[in-house]
Amino acid sequence: SQTIHQWPATLVQPVGSPLSLECTVEGTSNPNLYWYRQAAGRGLQLLFYSVGIGQISSEVPQNLSASRPQDRQFILSSKKLLLSDSGFYLCAWSAGADPADTQYFGPGTRLTVL
Amino acid sequence: RKEVEQDPGPFNVPEGATVAFNCTYSNSASQSFFWYRQDCRKEPKLLMSVYSSGNEDGRFTAQLNRASQYISLLIRDSKLSDSATYLCVVKRSSYKLIFGSGTRLLVRP
Repeated sequence: SQTIHQWPATLVQPVGSPLSLECTVEGTSNPNLYWYRQAAGRGLQLLFYSVGIGQISSEVPQNLSASRPQDRQFILSSKKLLLSDSGFYLCAWSAGADPADTQYFGPGTRLTVL
Repeated sequence: RKEVEQDPGPFNVPEGATVAFNCTYSNSASQSFFWYRQDCRKEPKLLMSVYSSGNEDGRFTAQLNRASQYISLLIRDSKLSDSATYLCVVKRSSYKLIFGSGTRLLVRP
């Protein structure tokens, strides 16, 4: 069965510091991968998605970036964090491009920028 | 106007009650529809897909009305463990899910 991992689970970072969040998926090949952010009391916002190694699509312009160095690894980064980057960051995967394909979420990273 | 709108609640119901949530979406080109459940400080988990003919999974029934751009979720015989936030989700394209802000359900003893 498929499993999705994220780390760290929680993170407290000062404004202006760099960020690296990692997501890995097990039990499937060539998954579609996604990064979402959920601000407190709000809905999930898609940040990036990837359909293959090195292929990244950005949904929202911001100071974040994403990379996919391996088939089942997705990384979210920032060179300098802002206060507004605080939130719950969720990685998700899906099996293919079929509109009916569902997305499955990892446990998330709760980021607080101080 | 948000692309997916839900009543935030909370809906506070006794155990055993039947409760219904509604959701409207604005993009008529939306392709697929889902309900996810999110527990406090946890990741969303797929509850069920929503099909045009309506579908049922145990105590849960989902309905889709494409003409009115309306989705519903009915929970029968509510359990304490049903307390959570229910997210209405619309798939606009092959890759993009649009999430509602969620409806909070509290089931009391």
